[in-house]
Formats: sequence, C-alpha cells, structure tokens
Amino acid sequence: GQNIDQPTEMTATEGAIVQINCTYQTSGFNGLFWYQQHAGEAPTFLSYNVLDGLEEKGRFSSFLSRSKGYSYLLLKELQMKDSASYLCAVLLGDYKLSFGAGTTVTVRA
Amino acid sequence: GAVVSQHPSWVICKSGTSVKIECRSLDFQATTMFWYRQFPKQSLMLMATSNEGSKATYEQGVEKDKFLINHASLTLSTLTVTSAHPEDSSFYICSAREGGREAQPQHFGDGTRLSIL
Repeated sequence: GQNIDQPTEMTATEGAIVQINCTYQTSGFNGLFWYQQHAGEAPTFLSYNVLDGLEEKGRFSSFLSRSKGYSYLLLKELQMKDSASYLCAVLLGDYKLSFGAGTTVTVRA
Repeated sequence: GAVVSQHPSWVICKSGTSVKIECRSLDFQATTMFWYRQFPKQSLMLMATSNEGSKATYEQGVEKDKFLINHASLTLSTLTVTSAHPEDSSFYICSAREGGREAQPQHFGDGTRLSIL
C-alpha cells in the first residue's frame, strides 16, 4: 500500500507563514502534487514537483526531496481565504494519484 | 485553464435508487478520467480509473457491479451507483487528465454530494 503522511491540523495568524510537511513511501513516484480543498468543494491544483528543490508560485512555494521522501508546502502572508484543507498527493507510475489525508489549516485574525 | 464539469451537484434519493453522475472535460480531451469518493474529514479515495473506449480499472474493494463506469468519449465519463443504500452516501468527485502528458495535473470536477435516505 501507499503511505502518505501529513499533519491533521494547523492554525496560524493572518499575515503569518505556515509550512505543511508531507512524507511519503510509495510503490512508485512520478512527482508530487499539492491541492487546496475548501469544505464541500473539489480540490484545486496548487503545485507540482518532480525534481528536488523549491518551486515558487506567488505566496505559495513547494519543496521536494526525493531521497528523503519529503515535501512541504509553504504558505506566506496568510489570508483568511487560505483556510482550507491542503492535500499532498503522489503521482504513481500509472497516472494515479495517491492522496494523503489532508491538513486542515485555520487562519485566525 | 482546463475545466471539468460534474453533474449533478447534489442528489437526495431513496434507498434502492440508481444514480448517474456525469463528468465532462469541457476544453480538452481526457483519455483518462478518475472517480474518487470522499467521506467527511477524510481524503480522496480512488475508486476507479476510466479509460476511453475500454473497461474501467477498479481499485481493490470497490464493487464494479455496484459502481458502473462508462467512458464513451474523450470528454465524457459516467458513474452509476446502482441500487444505492445509505452507506453509499458520500462526496463523489471525478477528475480528468489530458492524454499523453504525464506530468499534467488532474483537473477535478466540483463533486457530487450523494445522500441516500
């Protein structure tokens, strides 16, 4: 089976920075995706890493270390609208995505 | 950007009813579509992979006779929950990927909330 771990919940203050970690042990690896999911809605794509290093996209950055089986999503200058669940997903060899359980981020004023 | 449309958004029906959910890729051809199920406060669990023109591949533990999948064209896949029961109540989400480009993200539909009374 696939093993993808991320914290269940995180809380941060508006304007702050939050880092969501994800570790994985999977049967295959063709890259790692981060998705944002608001309650009752479908996930939306945030980032994709396949090579080691940092990918930056505005307020969101994602990092990957393949040798360590580790990724993180960094959210900067937090806004209230960033309150959501963040899903780490590994792309397996046959185009399937295996998802972690998600990290619920609550942004407080 | 790529858009995936899923219909209906909400279904409430009696136990024993069969429910059909449609998933369409609006501005790209999707050789592969995926069907997920998500229970409250849990992550997405892949149910099956749907390939255009061929039989769907089901994940372990998913009953293929209960969850019928048809992928008749490059832009449409359907999931039919046959003889639905209360335990089938869940959030069903489809996603689609453009063919031939492995690194492309899956694009998700808005999901269908199914409630069986």
